[in-house]
Amino acid sequence: SQQGEEDPQALSIQEGENATMNCSYKTSINNLQWYRQNSGRGLVHLILIRSNEREKHSGRLRVTLDTSKKSSSLLITASRAADTASYFCATDASGSARQLTFGSGTQLTVLP
Amino acid sequence: GAVVSQHPSWVICKSGTSVKIECRSLDFQATTMFWYRQFPKQSLMLMATSNEGSKATYEQGVEKDKFLINHASLTLSTLTVTSAHPEDSSFYICSARVGGSDTQYFGPGTRLTVL
Repeated sequence: SQQGEEDPQALSIQEGENATMNCSYKTSINNLQWYRQNSGRGLVHLILIRSNEREKHSGRLRVTLDTSKKSSSLLITASRAADTASYFCATDASGSARQLTFGSGTQLTVLP
Repeated sequence: GAVVSQHPSWVICKSGTSVKIECRSLDFQATTMFWYRQFPKQSLMLMATSNEGSKATYEQGVEKDKFLINHASLTLSTLTVTSAHPEDSSFYICSARVGGSDTQYFGPGTRLTVL
């Protein structure tokens, strides 16, 4: 079952603007990961943040994690039309199975 | 980087037939493979977890007799959709993880359409 929700469900911005997506989850986690999916394609791993980390950067991506609020955010700076895709957070819960549970996703559209 | 392939990338079949989807880790040995299903405009739902050489663990609500999973080697897992029906039409995605690693590597997905 889905771990939690992402908001917004859809986001439309102009090229060059920043895009922020939020993810909430319900249980304790080992780490939280963000993925991108272009329409009809597989998932591309973007970034992983561990439960003892609060912020992480990778290129134009910035991820924050607040375990007290069970929430994370993904910021894409200086967006490009090529960033248009669906973005999913996924939690790797505490436990031996190491399964990922995906959020509901945010559809990002970057207008040229 | 680690690459996971799926075959076929798309398949159209008649209702009642069985379809096999392969998931291969091309340049690493996968201790664990996962199968997901994704309906249009929805998120990925985990169907089952398979470890090499052992029976798959299915998520609640997933029929193990309908979705047969075989993980015969450290580089290959197969999902067979038996007696497929139109409601089984979906995007099936596999992923693979090396033991001890936090990262799952995803295949490109297989689009199944059952007529």
